[in-house]
Amino acid sequence: KQEVTQIPAALSVPEGENLVLNCSFTDSAIYNLQWFRQDPGKGLTSLLLIQSSQREQTSGRLNASLDKSSGRSTLYIAASQPGDSATYLCAAYSGGGADGLTFGKGTHLIIQP
Amino acid sequence: DAGVIQSPRHEVTEMGQEVTLRCKPISGHNSLFWYRQTMMRGLELLIYFNNNVPIDDSGMPEDRFSAKMPNASFSTLKIQPSEPRDSAVYFCASSFAGLGIGEQFFGPGTRLTVL
Repeated sequence: KQEVTQIPAALSVPEGENLVLNCSFTDSAIYNLQWFRQDPGKGLTSLLLIQSSQREQTSGRLNASLDKSSGRSTLYIAASQPGDSATYLCAAYSGGGADGLTFGKGTHLIIQP
Repeated sequence: DAGVIQSPRHEVTEMGQEVTLRCKPISGHNSLFWYRQTMMRGLELLIYFNNNVPIDDSGMPEDRFSAKMPNASFSTLKIQPSEPRDSAVYFCASSFAGLGIGEQFFGPGTRLTVL
């Protein structure tokens, strides 16, 4: 069964820094991997979806990479801002039905002004 | 598009009462998911519909939980009878799935408190 791990569980950095969030998965046979952010008391907002055939996706200051062979995806945030403070979750889809979808527990990110 | 719509946003009820949560997916999406989120257990998938048909309900915790999708634009999650341990935030998400599960879009959630 797929396991998805996000380390660290929490991260606090000063405004302006570039940072990397990590997502590791145990089964490299994934179809896609999706990154979300969740603000307190809100739903999940989709950030980026990477298909298994892709190596990276970019949206504004965000860049997500996927390395299936190493079982790893990273979310790079450039020039961090206080508004980036949120919990970031990744979800790996390994095919089949919904039992092939596994979420990590998230990284709680705080950007200090 | 208004995104995924859920109602109510907050629900407070007493143990033993029936609770019905509602979801309207994004128009054109053919897959719908119900999730539950708690601090202890994180995000749990309860049930997954594709083209209005329940495909995988292995995450439904017990028979007290049931879900329906009578048409492509509406789904309900019902808990009867409710118990305090059902207190959580319940999310609905939708996607367009060709082969497998595509990009998911979540609703704002319903915060359920069972006293």
